Amino acid sequence: ILNVEQSPQSLHVQEGDSTNFTCSFPSSNFYALHWYRWETAKSPEALFVMTLNGDEKKKGRISATLNTKEGYSYLYIKGSQPEDSATYLCASLRGYNKLIFGAGTRLAVHP
Amino acid sequence: EPEVTQTPSHQVTQMGQEVILRCVPISNHLYFYWYRQILGQKVEFLVSFYNNEISEKSEIFDDQFSVERPDGSNFTLKIRSTKLEDSAMYFCASSVDSNEKLFFGSGTQLSVL
Repeated sequence: ILNVEQSPQSLHVQEGDSTNFTCSFPSSNFYALHWYRWETAKSPEALFVMTLNGDEKKKGRISATLNTKEGYSYLYIKGSQPEDSATYLCASLRGYNKLIFGAGTRLAVHP
Repeated sequence: EPEVTQTPSHQVTQMGQEVILRCVPISNHLYFYWYRQILGQKVEFLVSFYNNEISEKSEIFDDQFSVERPDGSNFTLKIRSTKLEDSAMYFCASSVDSNEKLFFGSGTQLSVL
């Protein structure tokens, strides 16, 4: 994989549902994988920076896992709330300090 | 909480004109970046800057683009002769280190007419 790909493109869930989305990235020359949350009319905000194969990170109801050998990361949201509605971006650190972003997963949580 | 600030929030310009987008990174951060998002497309890396010089740049960042840190607090992106395809949301970001999370500004929406 040469690009960073995210799926699904968009997701609609009900409040209380748990959900997850995928980020695929080039596994060669891996440095780090970033997750950002981007709410409408705001700037992207970092959730996690992950560097080690098998890494798992958690922030409240949001967690992420990393598999650098096969080039994927999952983001999980447990018990989605309307305030979780946002676009979730992943980005692969390539070279010295160049982040390559995926297109994002747009999550809408309905009350 | 410290934040990255960008001005202006919106900029409208005529094709061929020069524009300067301004950013004030977080004060103790050492790495500075410009990214942009053309409507409907991915966020794209433009350039990174460290120790008063460009550390990496993308293919997009051609001779029409330049960056500067004129006074130790501001970080600017200049587009010398704007094209229609330069219309995008331009984000400035900064980080403590190259492998740390980025803090993004709220963006400048550039419209080239």
